[in-house]
Amino acid sequence: KAGVTQTPRYLIKTRGQQVTLSCSPISGHRSVSWYQQTPGQGLQFLFEYFSETQRNKGNFPGRFSGRQFSNSRSEMNVSTLELGDSALYLCASSLIRGPNTGELFFGEGSRLTVL
Amino acid sequence: DQQVKQNSPSLSVQEGRISILNCDYTNSMFDYFLWYKKYPAEGPTFLISISSIKDKNEDGRFTVFLNKSAKHLSLHIVPSQPGDSAVYFCAAGIDKLIFGTGTRLQVFP
Repeated sequence: KAGVTQTPRYLIKTRGQQVTLSCSPISGHRSVSWYQQTPGQGLQFLFEYFSETQRNKGNFPGRFSGRQFSNSRSEMNVSTLELGDSALYLCASSLIRGPNTGELFFGEGSRLTVL
Repeated sequence: DQQVKQNSPSLSVQEGRISILNCDYTNSMFDYFLWYKKYPAEGPTFLISISSIKDKNEDGRFTVFLNKSAKHLSLHIVPSQPGDSAVYFCAAGIDKLIFGTGTRLQVFP
């Protein structure tokens, strides 16, 4: 079956702009989580959506937001971009909620560069 | 505050030898622990997991050890192969996964 699909794969923005990233989970998966990966910081948890509701949120400013649609696809938005937002944004899906489900299936990520 | 720490950013091991990757955590409430492997330009892929009720879990060449009293997790790869060269992330959680900063493993011939 198809894996987690993230679009776009690469994008360049300038400070102050906003960006929307998209994630299509594995068919049948209802939980979608977003992570930010930067050098030296590992994967920082942004938020998790399940059944169109945000279930968990990490320690990121309100400029970072997301949503999930009825087909489980998810989008995240970053407004008023800052240089420090340059990172790889990873989306992961799982069948049900919680880390004890075993696995998160990750997409290849969207690499955002802010100039 | 980094709740999950991987203090070694890199590790170099000869092919055929054992690779030991370490991870420390601070939250004693974490009840599930996982290791992920990441190749360049790819998303992380699940490797192996362990729940807090166990202290060891094996899957082929990979074994994860959990020491709850020390809040320490380790991944052993025996024997190491060049294809194991990647960045390894440990993760722990209760209702969401917290990831470490990763350890880059290089296995040389």
